[in-house]
Amino acid sequence: QSVLTQPPSASGTPGQRVTISCSGSSSNIGSNTVNWYQQFPGTAPKLLIYSNDQRPSGVPDRFSGSKSGTSASLAISGLQSEDEADYYCAAWDDSLSGGVFGGGTKVTVL
Amino acid sequence: EVQLVESGGGLVQPGGSLRLSCAASGFTFKSYWMHWVRQAPGKGLVWVSRIDSDGSRTSYADSVKGRFTISRDNAKNTLYLQMNSLRGEDTAVYYCVREGRAGPTTYGHWGQGTLVTVSS
Repeated sequence: QSVLTQPPSASGTPGQRVTISCSGSSSNIGSNTVNWYQQFPGTAPKLLIYSNDQRPSGVPDRFSGSKSGTSASLAISGLQSEDEADYYCAAWDDSLSGGVFGGGTKVTVL
Repeated sequence: EVQLVESGGGLVQPGGSLRLSCAASGFTFKSYWMHWVRQAPGKGLVWVSRIDSDGSRTSYADSVKGRFTISRDNAKNTLYLQMNSLRGEDTAVYYCVREGRAGPTTYGHWGQGTLVTVSS
């Protein structure tokens, strides 16, 4: 059972917009920034969004993040086949004094 | 180029010990906080431990507290994870990650991971 809650799966057709939610609490998302990671099978995760809504250099602007209260979301607009991957949210938890991740969302391009 | 290379994984019996290493290069290792994150086969990411830049402050997930010890040797640019009293649920790929300037779960750089299998 992950501290941050994500839907296990999401899907869309090419060109569509897909949104992934990440729900937490006042001790994690409510008081710290949220980061998002993309992971392909057999590879290490890659930082996709940091500080709620910032994209590292090289990440397409099709990916965007937002945060409100104790929830955050990742949006993929103009979905492409190469976006098929697992996506994880993460935040620091002040009560646990540790990092927490969501359970991951598998995005499928139909 | 930032590089993080883990080693030390392998097969170990329940109750056994293992020490993971992470060799860092391409950046000023002594200036960064470092973490270990693990991923059980077919499962999600789980934060394990964190150490500050000079090794004086550490924190652990409850699931490993008292069994795992994170440490670092800044002269050797190396991060360690000493794992004792290993259990089946510790079976996972262990990633060494560098904490970014934007906060404690901002992991812009990951190693390739090293697999630890706990089984008799």
